[in-house]
Amino acid sequence: NAGVTQTPKFQVLKTGQSMTLQCAQDMNHNSMYWYRQDPGMGLRLIYYSASEGTTDKGEVPNGYNVSRLNKREFSLRLESAAPSQTSVYFCASSESGVANYGYTFGSGTRLTVV
Amino acid sequence: DQQVKQNSPSLSVQEGRISILNCDYTNSMFDYFLWYKKYPAEGPTFLISISSIKDKNEDGRFTVFLNKSAKHLSLHIVPSQPGDSAVYFCAASVAGGSYIPTFGRGTSLIVHP
Repeated sequence: NAGVTQTPKFQVLKTGQSMTLQCAQDMNHNSMYWYRQDPGMGLRLIYYSASEGTTDKGEVPNGYNVSRLNKREFSLRLESAAPSQTSVYFCASSESGVANYGYTFGSGTRLTVV
Repeated sequence: DQQVKQNSPSLSVQEGRISILNCDYTNSMFDYFLWYKKYPAEGPTFLISISSIKDKNEDGRFTVFLNKSAKHLSLHIVPSQPGDSAVYFCAASVAGGSYIPTFGRGTSLIVHP
């Protein structure tokens, strides 16, 4: 039971480069999310997908795009990376509309933009 | 403007004693609250939650208390163990909406043997 799998675990990019962070869940959850965690800032929502075929902006969407490829997979793309996007990125999934058990998070992608 | 505030960035406790982590919120529409625990190099894991219709919820050594009038909740860990050393995030959401929680900035708990 893998839960939520994120790849890669670590990445270093140069300013202006692009990359896609991959996320897959095997729990048949409807909803998926991308968060970033910065020191002293907690977890901030970038984008989410309430169900397959839908995506919506979160608190900090600028500089990112997402794709809900199918029910299992939700990717996050940085088109032109900037140093301000240096962060730890977490993907999460949940049953939509069911808050009782919270989210299941992946182990994170640590991204450094130089 | 933070809607969920964890004003103590860190807390140090002796093993066997009680750990109390506090959280305040400003949005009166929040009616579902959760605590997550995060170890270094891992993703957060769900710990315990409480609905606004309750003022207390227990799960083993973990108890969450909710004071709606004060817009305050707290997580009690009794007794504290060294394995409890982690960052704890408080989160709040609005039922009937998307349930997407707003997270606090976290409190780093260190339990000394």
